[in-house]
Amino acid sequence: GENVEQHPSTLSVQEGDSAVIKCTYSDSASNYFPWYKQELGKGPQLIIDIRSNVGEKKDQRIAVTLNKTAKHFSLHITETQPEDSAVYFCAASSPRSSYKLIFGSGTRLLVRP
Amino acid sequence: DAEITQSPRHKITETGRQVTLACHQTWNHNNMFWYRQDLGHGLRLIHYSYGVQDTNKGEVSDGYSVSRSNTEDLPLTLESAASSQTSVYFCASSDRGSGEAFFGQGTRLTVV
Repeated sequence: GENVEQHPSTLSVQEGDSAVIKCTYSDSASNYFPWYKQELGKGPQLIIDIRSNVGEKKDQRIAVTLNKTAKHFSLHITETQPEDSAVYFCAASSPRSSYKLIFGSGTRLLVRP
Repeated sequence: DAEITQSPRHKITETGRQVTLACHQTWNHNNMFWYRQDLGHGLRLIHYSYGVQDTNKGEVSDGYSVSRSNTEDLPLTLESAASSQTSVYFCASSDRGSGEAFFGQGTRLTVV
């Protein structure tokens, strides 16, 4: 079945700097890759997603890139702000696994003021 | 507004007791999922359903069961609670076509 690995597990950046979180997946048939943000005491919230027919997607300060050949995708946050501090999860979904979302282990991002 | 709600938000139970966690969504989504979240493991899939009367096992299904009698609800039952089942449980739902999943606020379960 699908396996998703996420790195780093923790990331500390200075406010205003960029942050990059990387994920790799195992199932070459995976075609949907969402990113979730989880704040303390809350459920994960979708922040951006990408499908396999595009290589990059942007939404204001966040962007996701996908390299299908290497089977990895990344989340980029520019001009980080303290409110970006949270745990971020990547996930992948494949028709071979009935479109279940399989999650990475999460990255705790700390933005230092 | 459509939403997905879980209850209770917190639960303490004793080892060996049966426990049911509720999940209710008003999105009219076909797909519903239960995950558990533990430090260092991210979100692991317990059970999922693609529609009424359909249920499937996820990667960590032992000791858990679900039933889907209507579109809105997917209750998760721990048949005989164990300390290893102490965790935070999240329910999610998604539309069959989009794949975008919406999560509930979670239930923190402690088994003592």
